[in-house]
Amino acid sequence: EDQVTQSPEALRLQEGESSSLNCSYTVSGLRGLFWYRQDPGKGPEFLFTLYSAGEEKEKERLKATLTKKESFLHITAPKPEDSATYLCAVQVPQGAQKLVFGQGTRLTINP
Amino acid sequence: EAQVTQNPRYLITVTGKKLTVTCSQNMNHEYMSWYRQDPGLGLRQIYYSMNVEVTDKGDVPEGYKVSRKEKRNFPLILESPSPNQTSLYFCASSPRPARFYGYTFGSGTRLTVV
Repeated sequence: EDQVTQSPEALRLQEGESSSLNCSYTVSGLRGLFWYRQDPGKGPEFLFTLYSAGEEKEKERLKATLTKKESFLHITAPKPEDSATYLCAVQVPQGAQKLVFGQGTRLTINP
Repeated sequence: EAQVTQNPRYLITVTGKKLTVTCSQNMNHEYMSWYRQDPGLGLRQIYYSMNVEVTDKGDVPEGYKVSRKEKRNFPLILESPSPNQTSLYFCASSPRPARFYGYTFGSGTRLTVV
């Protein structure tokens, strides 16, 4: 069964304190791995897509990396506005463009 | 502005009273999908549509119907809502293939069935 697990469930950091979020997956035939940001009461906002092991992508203070079994979202010198829930999802071949989501990591950055 | 628009944002209804949640996108995307988000369960796919008149079940389709008569619209229909359908619902769309473009989500519809 295709499965996506994110850790930790919640993470509280001080402003400027760098850290990483983890997304481990077991899927048969990864088509792509997605990272989304979700603010309270809003829909997920697309951040990155990664396709193959070794790939990296960056956006401002965020950097996503991918291995054959997991992905990391590195947050460098975070600011309070980076506080959100970060969702990881994998696209699987079955069900045509179906996304399987992890349960998210709730990130809080204290000033 | 490119967006996915859902209506209503909030809805409280009674068990058994048919309702429709609308979803419209202005990006000419072929692919549209409905998800529900529940605490501890994450986002789960309900139905999806690859194009006009082409729809299929996701992981949790029981109790829901969809239709895709026009490319821009993908309404979610609950013929006889029950309390276990209380949830936060999201519509999403993407061009094909989504693995290159990502998915755009709507702002969500919070449904309460009493």
